[in-house]
Amino acid sequence: RKEVEQDPGPFNVPEGATVAFNCTYSNSASQSFFWYRQDCRKEPKLLMSVYSSGNEDGRFTAQLNRASQYISLLIRDSKLSDSATYLCVVKPVGGGATNKLIFGTGTLLAVQP
Amino acid sequence: GAGVSQSPRYKVAKRGQDVALRCDPISGHVSLFWYQQALGQGPEFLTYFQNEAQLDKSGLPSDRFFAERPEGSVSTLKIQRTQQEDSAVYLCASSAIAGVSYEQYFGPGTRLTVT
Repeated sequence: RKEVEQDPGPFNVPEGATVAFNCTYSNSASQSFFWYRQDCRKEPKLLMSVYSSGNEDGRFTAQLNRASQYISLLIRDSKLSDSATYLCVVKPVGGGATNKLIFGTGTLLAVQP
Repeated sequence: GAGVSQSPRYKVAKRGQDVALRCDPISGHVSLFWYQQALGQGPEFLTYFQNEAQLDKSGLPSDRFFAERPEGSVSTLKIQRTQQEDSAVYLCASSAIAGVSYEQYFGPGTRLTVT
């Protein structure tokens, strides 16, 4: 079983739609959580961190449920420019010196005009 | 300012050849990471440096993979006797502070194709 699991999609949605992505992680002691965005043939870029209280950045809302080991990302009023792969990312507890990130497979979003 | 740069951007190697991939992190960044991203997958951790010290190499898939960062700045990932399963994008990332969850900034990657 992979440490971070996501539905690979693709999610095909019309402009203006609301879309939600989910992710589960297996290590209950995981420390930090993120959503990264990766455009085709580009490098991943941090979209937002995810906090237990939930957090919002414009049209994007992230939620964390530690009891269920579940992370979500909600995108409201989808734009064509939101088309990308969304990567769920977990940072394990730093038992050593590493700050490595554990990535899910990514969920592909295609927003249609 | 300048981001993380990697070279070459594309590399085609015949099976059995050795390759060297270079990463120039953001100036002053203490932490440097290498990840491998196979087609259709998320990046997978290979190794981590704090300055010149390689503190975690648990993700290196075999002893054919070797990484160094001798002066705590530029890093090189070397793959000896390349195999077809080594074909992937190799991503380098750097972050400012060691031991804290600061953002990792990724370079554009080197796309390695082993024929």
